[in-house]
Amino acid sequence: ETGVTQSPTHLIKTRGQQVTLRCSSQSGHNTVSWYQQALGQGPQFIFQYYREEENGRGNFPPRFSGLQFPNYSSELNVNALELDDSALYLCASSPGFGQGAADTQYFGPGTRLTVL
Amino acid sequence: GEDVEQSLFLSVREGDSSVINCTYTDSSSTYLYWYKQEPGAGLQLLTYIFSNMDMKQDQRLTVLLNKKDKHLSLRIADTQTGDSAIYFCAESYSSASKIIFGSGTRLSIRP
Repeated sequence: ETGVTQSPTHLIKTRGQQVTLRCSSQSGHNTVSWYQQALGQGPQFIFQYYREEENGRGNFPPRFSGLQFPNYSSELNVNALELDDSALYLCASSPGFGQGAADTQYFGPGTRLTVL
Repeated sequence: GEDVEQSLFLSVREGDSSVINCTYTDSSSTYLYWYKQEPGAGLQLLTYIFSNMDMKQDQRLTVLLNKKDKHLSLRIADTQTGDSAIYFCAESYSSASKIIFGSGTRLSIRP
């Protein structure tokens, strides 16, 4: 148990639709990162939020957006879904920069998104 | 650039040692990790090593780091059926930075 939860567990959408995935971090964790893990691949960094501001972004288009809230929850929004967006989406939270060791970035169980 | 490479498959006999290898490109990485992922499950941090260390041992797990060659390995002693999973090598600059993952090595155990 990492104390990080994600919802929903599974989701099926169709092309062109929009989706919102949610992550609830541990209390006190100011940093949340989102990753996309396609089938047979390692997780790819989407973006990171630190104290409710975007703090770095990977090679993902603007239709991937996020929000982080003061209550340590966060969202990943994906607009205009494409078939290739089918993947496991993972969030990871940590206390913040300079405040922890390498084992303090905790991953949630993920949301599996299928786009038909 | 940022890239982590590892072999895709490894098959070992139950009771033998497993050695999973990885190479990375970013010399500024401070943290090097090994994660385990079982089918349908999320990521489990197995162990990690700081870039100023050569070796770390944790029960059945031994991590070796050759910083000059940017080569990381994970040795699992006395491999058991429960060790069947995908193992990801990964790196990051700091404890809260983005983590760069390899594509994973699928470890299968034969009787």
